[in-house]
Amino acid sequence: EAEVAQSPRYKITEKSQAVAFWCDPISGHATLYWYRQILGQGPELLVQFQDESVVDDSQLPKDRFSAERLKGVDSTLKIQPAELGDSAMYLCASSFPRLSMEETQYFGPGTRLLVL
Amino acid sequence: KQEVTQIPAALSVPEGENLVLNCSFTDSAIYNLQWFRQDPGKGLTSLLLIQSSQREQTSGRLNASLDKSSGRSTLYIAASQPGDSATYLCAASGGGADGLTFGKGTHLIIQP
Repeated sequence: EAEVAQSPRYKITEKSQAVAFWCDPISGHATLYWYRQILGQGPELLVQFQDESVVDDSQLPKDRFSAERLKGVDSTLKIQPAELGDSAMYLCASSFPRLSMEETQYFGPGTRLLVL
Repeated sequence: KQEVTQIPAALSVPEGENLVLNCSFTDSAIYNLQWFRQDPGKGLTSLLLIQSSQREQTSGRLNASLDKSSGRSTLYIAASQPGDSATYLCAASGGGADGLTFGKGTHLIIQP
């Protein structure tokens, strides 16, 4: 069964350092999402891609976060510099095509980030 | 802006009981309403998706209902088992956003 892949699974970094997360969606899925989930909360959307284009990044803290999906397949989310409050689970999801009544999003296992 | 609320935040019941988890949303212009399960430190697993034109969906011991007019959904779990212990998240799609809007979840513990 096809799955969304994410790496690394765990990342420990010191504040002010740079960190990057990678996501490979299910083959053929045009839409890719990055979510952030703080412990005890539900996931919150950071950025949404349709192919290689950003559709929604209104909740992405653009002073320190960046996301790209250069070839419309896999994606990278970067934080520079990391802050203590960035400690969270970062989840990637994909769907095909754009979200509709029938379509769900498939989530990867997530990357758990701890900033010291 | 869509807001999703889940009640209760936590629930602990003995094995074998039937239980209901509640979800409410503020904007009824949704594509669908989904229920996910999340085990500790893991990603999300989709349990049920109810399209906006539907009233309910069933999968095994799980039944989810949707009442758009009142902005409510419920997840019914029959004959609960210890393996059902997890956090259950409700999420609404549409309502002004393409991504999913999640509630904070219900942390469920089934006591053996």
